[in-house]
Amino acid sequence: KQEVTQIPAALSVPEGENLVLNCSFTDSAIYNLQWFRQDPGKGLTSLLLIQSSQREQTSGRLNASLDKSSGRSTLYIAASQPGDSATYLCAVPSGGYNKLIFGAGTRLAVHP
Amino acid sequence: ETGVTQTPRHLVMGMTNKKSLKCEQHLGHNAMYWYKQSAKKPLELMFVYSLEERVENNSVPSRFSPECPNSSHLFLHLHTLQPEDSALYLCASSQGTGFDQPQHFGDGTRLSIL
Repeated sequence: KQEVTQIPAALSVPEGENLVLNCSFTDSAIYNLQWFRQDPGKGLTSLLLIQSSQREQTSGRLNASLDKSSGRSTLYIAASQPGDSATYLCAVPSGGYNKLIFGAGTRLAVHP
Repeated sequence: ETGVTQTPRHLVMGMTNKKSLKCEQHLGHNAMYWYKQSAKKPLELMFVYSLEERVENNSVPSRFSPECPNSSHLFLHLHTLQPEDSALYLCASSQGTGFDQPQHFGDGTRLSIL
């Protein structure tokens, strides 16, 4: 049974810092891994999707890496800004019909 | 409108009430999903519909009854709910149910059971 864990559960940093959010999964036979952002009271916005054959994906100040063999993914946020404050979730598809298994998320607060 | 729209955004109901949550997608997708996000557990899948047919029921109690009348609309009918059912209910859609198809999420309905 696939399980997804995210560390840390919460993070508070001053503006401008470079950040690393961690995601681990128990079954390394994944098809892809996705990072989402969730603002309070809102739905999920997809940030990056990494295919199993890829090692990393970049979008602006975000970079996600994937190491299937060790069951880990990292989301790197460069030069953090207060607008980056949100909960970040990682998810992998498992079982049939694109069933996503989510981690509990990392709640990020970036203060000016 | 674009994307995935959910109504109502907030709902408060008693345990004996009957209500429905609505989801509409304007992306031309043919698969739709219901997820539950409660305060103390990770986001978890409830149901999957593909081409208007339910293809996955993730051991959800019968007090939750989904309906998909067409590929653009998805409902979740609620009756005799329990306090532990208070949560954010999210709808998503995708083009097919293959693992390579990203899911697009609505903003959810915040449900509170009195």
